[in-house]
Amino acid sequence: AQTVTQSQPEMSVQEAETVTLSCTYDTSESNYYLFWYKQPPSRQMILVIRQEAYKQQNATENRFSVNFQKAAKSFSLKISDSQLGDTAMYFCAFMKHLYNNNDMRFGAGTRLTVKP
Amino acid sequence: ETGVTQSPTHLIKTRGQQVTLRCSSQSGHNTVSWYQQALGQGPQFIFQYYREEENGRGNFPPRFSGLQFPNYSSELNVNALELDDSALYLCASSLPGLAGETQYFGPGTRLLVL
Repeated sequence: AQTVTQSQPEMSVQEAETVTLSCTYDTSESNYYLFWYKQPPSRQMILVIRQEAYKQQNATENRFSVNFQKAAKSFSLKISDSQLGDTAMYFCAFMKHLYNNNDMRFGAGTRLTVKP
Repeated sequence: ETGVTQSPTHLIKTRGQQVTLRCSSQSGHNTVSWYQQALGQGPQFIFQYYREEENGRGNFPPRFSGLQFPNYSSELNVNALELDDSALYLCASSLPGLAGETQYFGPGTRLLVL
């Protein structure tokens, strides 16, 4: 069974600084997908970034980037130039490489607070 | 393009009752997944529907059931409600048939069971 672990229940960062959220996962699969989702107080889960396990290059989306270490089964999220609007719960998620069946397994989340 | 919508936004039920939650998928998406998110936890996969058929199920009892309609909207039904069913229920839709497709979430339905 796949498990996702986020070892930092809460983190805080000053506005404009950089913060890194950690995620590790356990799987015997060789091909899979990893995601970071953001859930602000409005409750809606918003995709931040995704990574295909077969790609060695780390994904980036504007101020968000990942450090994907496949051998270590580690998938951390770096947020640069943090903004007040980045305050939210952040969830790391794992998805197997299966056609027509793409349920995700989520970690417990990290609550990030960006301070002015 | 319309995103994923869910109704109702909030619901209060008593133990033993039945509840139906609704989800309209994003335009062009024919796969719908349902998740339960207990307070302070990450979402847990309930089941997924693809072309009106259940296509994968998580570790939830049979009293959790669902439907998908020809327009790809979906319902989640929970019978014999228990106190532990109190949670945020999230619906997500995705593009058809490809592996690793990104799921797009609705705003959720907050269910409270008294």
